[in-house]
This record gives sequence, C-alpha cells and structure tokens, in this order.
Amino acid sequence: AQSVTQLGSHVSVSEGALVLLRCNYSSSVPPYLFWYVQYPNQGLQLLLKYTSAATLVKGINDFEAEFKKSETSFHLTKPSAHMSDAAEYFCAVSPGFQKLVFGTGTRLLVSP
Amino acid sequence: NAGVMQNPRHLVRRRGQEARLRCSPMKGHSHVYWYRQLPEEGLKFMVYLQKENIIDESGMPKERFSAEFPKEGPSILRIQQVVRGDSAAYFCASSPPGQGPTTDTQYFGPGTRLTVL
Repeated sequence: AQSVTQLGSHVSVSEGALVLLRCNYSSSVPPYLFWYVQYPNQGLQLLLKYTSAATLVKGINDFEAEFKKSETSFHLTKPSAHMSDAAEYFCAVSPGFQKLVFGTGTRLLVSP
Repeated sequence: NAGVMQNPRHLVRRRGQEARLRCSPMKGHSHVYWYRQLPEEGLKFMVYLQKENIIDESGMPKERFSAEFPKEGPSILRIQQVVRGDSAAYFCASSPPGQGPTTDTQYFGPGTRLTVL
C-alpha cells in the first residue's frame, strides 16, 4: 500500500531563511506525488505535483520539490521564507485511480 | 470561475442526529472526492464519485455514512446518528474528467467543520 511520511510535525524558520519540508513515500508502482498547503480554516491548495515528467518540479510562490527515487523522497524547498508562508503543508501520494493518500502534515512557523 | 463550494462551513449536531454536508464541484468537473481530517491529523480518503456512480468507497465507514452525487445538484455526504468521534473537518475535492487511471489535479473546497455535542 502507498503511504507518505512527513518528518517533523513542526518546522520553524526565520524570515528569509531556507525552507525545507521533508517527505518520504512508499509505493510499489511509480508514484504521483503532490504538495498541498492549508491556511487556517481553509481548504487545501495545490503547490506542485510530480507525474514523472521531470524530477525537479517547480510550483507556485517559489516552492519546488525534487523527486529522488533512490531515496524515495520528495522534499519541498523554498529559498527564502516569507511570513505569509506560515501554514500547514501536506505531502500526498496517489496510488492511482484518483485517490490521494496524505501525510500527517508539517506546520511551518516563520518568525520575523 | 467559482471554486469548489461546500456548505455549511460549520455544522453542530447533537449525538444521534443526522448531518448532511453538501459539495458543489467546479464548473466542468464531474469527479468528486470526500476526505475527512481529524484533529491534528492528515486528510483521509473516504469516497470517490462520478455523476450517479460511486467509484471507490474504500475509505467510508461501513455504517452510518453514505454519499451520493446525483445527476443534478451537489454531492451529499450523509452521516446518520452522529457520534462524538465524527467531529472533524470534511473536505470535498473535484477534478475534471480524467484520461485513464492517471490522477488529475484535485481542487479542494474550504471544508465543513462538524462538531458533535
């Protein structure tokens, strides 16, 4: 069965610092991988998705993620954090047939 | 172009009552998914529907929960005889008609937060 593990339920960075949110996946077939962001009391917004076209995926708001098959990882990065990036981030894998399996989420805290 | 609409945004029910959650997909989208988010947890898949068909209900509890997506109108997630453990945020997502078993982008609504007293 497909699953994702997000290391660190909370990550704190200073404004302007590098953001790194970790995601490792388990999949018996080539996976589709996603990062979503959730702001307080809102739905999920897609940041980026990997569908095997390119291993480095660029998303909205300068976020990007790199698919590394050898490490079964899909970590999310952003070169410089903004206060507005404070939110909950979810990694998800698709086992196919239109179903998403989510990780438990990482709350990003950005301090001035 | 309106996004995925869910109502109500907040719903309070007493134990034993019924809860009805509605989801209107984005225009042109014929696939609807329901997910549940328990406090401090990620989203868990419940059910995937197309118009008038349940495609995958592997995440639905066996009892008290049902979902439909009629030919006309919104998708409905119905919870009968609610219990305190049903308190959660319920999210609906939609996607356009797909092309085989690949996953199209799912667009999420703002969610319905159900509180059972």
